[in-house]
Amino acid sequence: KAGVTQTPRYLIKTRGQQVTLSCSPISGHRSVSWYQQTPGQGLQFLFEYFSETQRNKGNFPGRFSGRQFSNSRSEMNVSTLELGDSALYLCASSPQGDVLDTQYFGPGTRLTVL
Amino acid sequence: DQQVKQNSPSLSVQEGRISILNCDYTNSMFDYFLWYKKYPAEGPTFLISISSIKDKNEDGRFTVFLNKSAKHLSLHIVPSQPGDSAVYFCAAKDLYSGGYQKVTFGTGTKLQVIP
Repeated sequence: KAGVTQTPRYLIKTRGQQVTLSCSPISGHRSVSWYQQTPGQGLQFLFEYFSETQRNKGNFPGRFSGRQFSNSRSEMNVSTLELGDSALYLCASSPQGDVLDTQYFGPGTRLTVL
Repeated sequence: DQQVKQNSPSLSVQEGRISILNCDYTNSMFDYFLWYKKYPAEGPTFLISISSIKDKNEDGRFTVFLNKSAKHLSLHIVPSQPGDSAVYFCAAKDLYSGGYQKVTFGTGTKLQVIP
């Protein structure tokens, strides 16, 4: 099976712009979660989608949003970019999103905000 | 507020010796703990987990110990190999809060195994 794929792998934007990141989960996986990784904070949970519905949300401002499509692919959007949004954005999928399901991570999208 | 803490940003160990990575947590609701390994340019991969009803779980060269009273867990790698050089993340879940896949991660410890 192919792993979790994320596009694009690298992105450079300027402050005030918006950006959309894409994640394709492992085939058959229905849960997709997003994380932000920064050097000082580690991985921080953004949100989780299951069957096109947001099931959980982390402590991020409303500028961060996401959605999931019927084929389980997910996108996350960040509007009005700030310098502090520069980070590695990781997507993870799991079969049913049950609490004991293992999450499988993609390689991430490296976002740089200038 | 960092609920999962890895106070050692880095650790160097000789090949063949034991690597011990430490993790502390503050949220007493956490009842399931995981370790992930991350190589550069790759996403984290699951390594080993432990439920709060256990104090030890072993998988090959990897053993995780949990001390609930101290809110402390550790990952032991014996013997350490150069291929173990990576960043290790400690993570925790509250299984009964409806959090599903919500995982709280630590900041990571970079392990270097010296040949």
